[in-house]
Amino acid sequence: AQSVTQLGSHVSVSEGALVLLRCNYSSSVPPYLFWYVQYPNQGLQLLLKYTSAATLVKGINGFEAEFKKSETSFHLTKPSAHMSDAAEYFCALSNFGNEKLTFGTGTRLTIIP
Amino acid sequence: ETGVTQSPTHLIKTRGQQVTLRCSSQSGHNTVSWYQQALGQGPQFIFQYYREEENGRGNFPPRFSGLQFPNYSSELNVNALELDDSALYLCASSLQSGGETDTQYFGPGTRLTVL
Repeated sequence: AQSVTQLGSHVSVSEGALVLLRCNYSSSVPPYLFWYVQYPNQGLQLLLKYTSAATLVKGINGFEAEFKKSETSFHLTKPSAHMSDAAEYFCALSNFGNEKLTFGTGTRLTIIP
Repeated sequence: ETGVTQSPTHLIKTRGQQVTLRCSSQSGHNTVSWYQQALGQGPQFIFQYYREEENGRGNFPPRFSGLQFPNYSSELNVNALELDDSALYLCASSLQSGGETDTQYFGPGTRLTVL
C-alpha cells in the first residue's frame, strides 16, 4: 500500500523567511510525486511534479522540491515567503499505470507580516 | 483553453436524498477522476473514468456511482445521502495515453452539505 505523510499540520513563517514543508512517502514501486496548493474555498492548483527525471523540481511561484529516494522524502521549499503564499499545501503520490492520487493530510501555511 | 469546471458550486441536501454533481473536463483530456475532501482532510479518491468506463475505484460504497459521456464530461451520483457525505467534491481531468496518465488538473469543487 502507498501512503503520504506530511509532518506539521500547521507551519508559520515570517514574510521573507524560508518556507519548508515536509512530505514523506511510502510506495512499493517508483512513485510520481506532486505538490498542490489550495486557497480558501477553491480547488487544487498544481505547484510542481516529480516523474523520475531530475530530482530537483522547480515549480510555479518560486517553489521547488527535491526527491530523495534514500529518505523517501519530497520536501517543498521556497527561499523567501510572501503573504500570498498563505494557503493549504498537499503532497500527493501516484504510480505509473495507477492513476489514483494518494494525498497527505495537508499543511496549512501562515505567513507572519 | 478551458479549464475544469464543476456545477453546482454549493448544494444543500437532506439525509436520504440523492444528488448529482457535474464536471466538464479540460479541453483535450479524456480521463476524469473524482475525489471527496472532508473538512480538514486531504482529498480521497472515489473513482476514475476513462473512455466512459470506470477505471479504478477507491474505498467508497456502491451508492457512489458515476458516468462519463462521449464528450468526456462526467457526473458523480450519490444515493441515500448520509451526514458524513458532507464534503467538498473535486473533479480532476487528465490525458491518458499509452497506459500512462498525465497530470491531473482540478476543478474548483462542489461543496455538499447534508442536513
